Amino acid sequence: GENVEQHPSTLSVQEGDSAVIKCTYSDSASNYFPWYKQELGKGPQLIIDIRSNVGEKKDQRIAVTLNKTAKHFSLHITETQPEDSAVYFCALGDSGYALNFGKGTSLLVTP
Amino acid sequence: NAGVTQTPKFQVLKTGQSMTLQCAQDMNHNSMYWYRQDPGMGLRLIYYSASEGTTDKGEVPNGYNVSRLNKREFSLRLESAAPSQTSVYFCASSGGSGPGFFGPGTRLTVL
Repeated sequence: GENVEQHPSTLSVQEGDSAVIKCTYSDSASNYFPWYKQELGKGPQLIIDIRSNVGEKKDQRIAVTLNKTAKHFSLHITETQPEDSAVYFCALGDSGYALNFGKGTSLLVTP
Repeated sequence: NAGVTQTPKFQVLKTGQSMTLQCAQDMNHNSMYWYRQDPGMGLRLIYYSASEGTTDKGEVPNGYNVSRLNKREFSLRLESAAPSQTSVYFCASSGGSGPGFFGPGTRLTVL
């Protein structure tokens, strides 16, 4: 499947700071870019997604940006809180049903 | 609404044994998915069903079979379990392309 590189693999920030996670890809046919949050012992939860006709999407403290020319997209979390601590996965796909997932970023927000 | 439910939550098998993982959703979604998650590997698609009556292979289908019993239920069967199938299995559903809602997972160990 499509190779998705996700960085960093771990990220530690202080409460109130911002966190940014980036994913890069190579298949220009990809047009759907979701982000998932997975808390310990639970299934992933879709938190935000973006399609290729949009450059940025925001939902409260979470935003996703997409640069199709450079083939990368990023998750931005502002004013981080301890409950934001989790593993975050990017994913991408074309108009079909199969998504390819990144390997995940473990985010730790320290009080 | 219960969302996506999976049974069992935990299972230990011996090599060569068979079992079926059950999944049900109550959101009237057309699409359902089975993923496996291994440490440091992200999520990999095993099979998906775009609609009732159809199933398609994902990235890692070998050793598995699926049944879309009706619109609500999508089961995953291991006919002859192998240690390489030790993993956490997630079922998911969505109203369109890409998994939107995940179940809590089944933690399977094959000895």
